[in-house]
Amino acid sequence: QVQLQESGPGLMKPSQTLSLTCAVSGDSITSGDYYWNWIRQPAGQGLEWIGRIHTSGGINYSPSLKSRVTISRDTSKNQFSLNLTSVTAADTAVYYCAREGPSHPGDYFPWGQGTLVTVSS
Amino acid sequence: QTVVTQEPSFSVSPGGTVTLTCGLSSGSVSTKNYPSWYQQTPGQAPRTLIYNTYTRSSGVPDRFSASILGNKAALTITGAQADDESDYYCVLYLGRGIWLFGGGTKVAVL
Repeated sequence: QVQLQESGPGLMKPSQTLSLTCAVSGDSITSGDYYWNWIRQPAGQGLEWIGRIHTSGGINYSPSLKSRVTISRDTSKNQFSLNLTSVTAADTAVYYCAREGPSHPGDYFPWGQGTLVTVSS
Repeated sequence: QTVVTQEPSFSVSPGGTVTLTCGLSSGSVSTKNYPSWYQQTPGQAPRTLIYNTYTRSSGVPDRFSASILGNKAALTITGAQADDESDYYCVLYLGRGIWLFGGGTKVAVL
């Protein structure tokens, strides 16, 4: 059973760099034909796709965040990460990681439980 | 900048039918956008209802169905139940590895 677990700082100040990690158990992030995604949701608002990394290492980013986002992975720890630079209050959100499976485009499953990141001075 | 459009809200009577749509500001939605639909209740991660335009995810009741209606993707709930009261999101593939969510539709069953 694949499980994803996000971890992050919780509270940040504006202009800092957000670093989040998604630890994966029950599957290898380098096996198969999967995409490992980051998705966020500000409180009371909709979902926003941030980007993804493929098992091959290929990476895609949302054009709206591309200038500030880096997705990477640590295969030795079986986890992937999100870095978001120059955060503002608008980056306050619950951040989710999720797997997208082969032949299931747009099917994000499973999801992590989400981690709340608050940006405040 | 491309925007995925959804109705902000809908109301449906118990047992009734409602169709939510998902459009693109820059053109028509087709199967090449692999439209997918998610249901989300407060405090929970979203749950996949439909992926790849028509495919119902495992365990999803058949009262949920999807289609392409004109130039939009559509999600139809037939025989709405009280626990269908949720937020519904679509997500579209824009090409070159990029996905974009719609703003979501809040469905009330009353």
